Amino acid sequence: QVRLVESGGDVVQPGRSLTLSCTVSGFNFDDYAVHWVRLAPGKGLEWVALISYDGTDKYYAGSVKGRFTISRDRFGNTAYLQMQSLRPEDTALYYCAKADGSGSGYGMDAWGQGTTVTVSS
Amino acid sequence: QSVLTQPPSASGTPGQGVTISCSGSSLNIAYNYVYWYQKVPGTAPKLLIYRSNQRPSGVPDRFSGSKSGTSASLAISGLRSEDEADYYCAVWDDSLSGAVFGGGTQLTVL
Repeated sequence: QVRLVESGGDVVQPGRSLTLSCTVSGFNFDDYAVHWVRLAPGKGLEWVALISYDGTDKYYAGSVKGRFTISRDRFGNTAYLQMQSLRPEDTALYYCAKADGSGSGYGMDAWGQGTTVTVSS
Repeated sequence: QSVLTQPPSASGTPGQGVTISCSGSSLNIAYNYVYWYQKVPGTAPKLLIYRSNQRPSGVPDRFSGSKSGTSASLAISGLRSEDEADYYCAVWDDSLSGAVFGGGTQLTVL
């Protein structure tokens, strides 16, 4: 059974950093890309970032480019989202999701339960 | 303002059918797979349709997806009270080099 578990969410002050983790099981992690998607209070789903199956290709939403970094560790079956220079508008529930394929062009076909990030002074 | 346009709301009575549209462009829907998700408050998004018209195992055949040109649609037949949720379309955008979601459609079962 495919499972994704996010962790690392916290309450942080503006300008600070935070790293989210996504540990997966139930599928061959090395074959699939991984997305991060967020849901801000009162808003719709917003795509954040994608990393390809082998980690060589990374894509970011314009709202986070230059501040967030996506990465993956094949040995730990874990994907990460390193967030820097956090802003109040980054406050959201962050989901990681397995992609439907190995790289860009594929949507999300399995989701974790999410981890909450709150940016506030 | 999303690059994908969905109606903000839709409604129907139990047993009826409803269709939710997702309008895009030649940079996204026309040449890429469309995905549809159901989002109930307090739960993770659930995949309903992948690769424009494929239904995952476990999703009732009351849900179907289609695509034509720069638009896609999610059709739900035989509405049930448990279908009340927010529905989102998503697709890769070649110009943005990223995935995009529609703004979401809140479905009410009257």
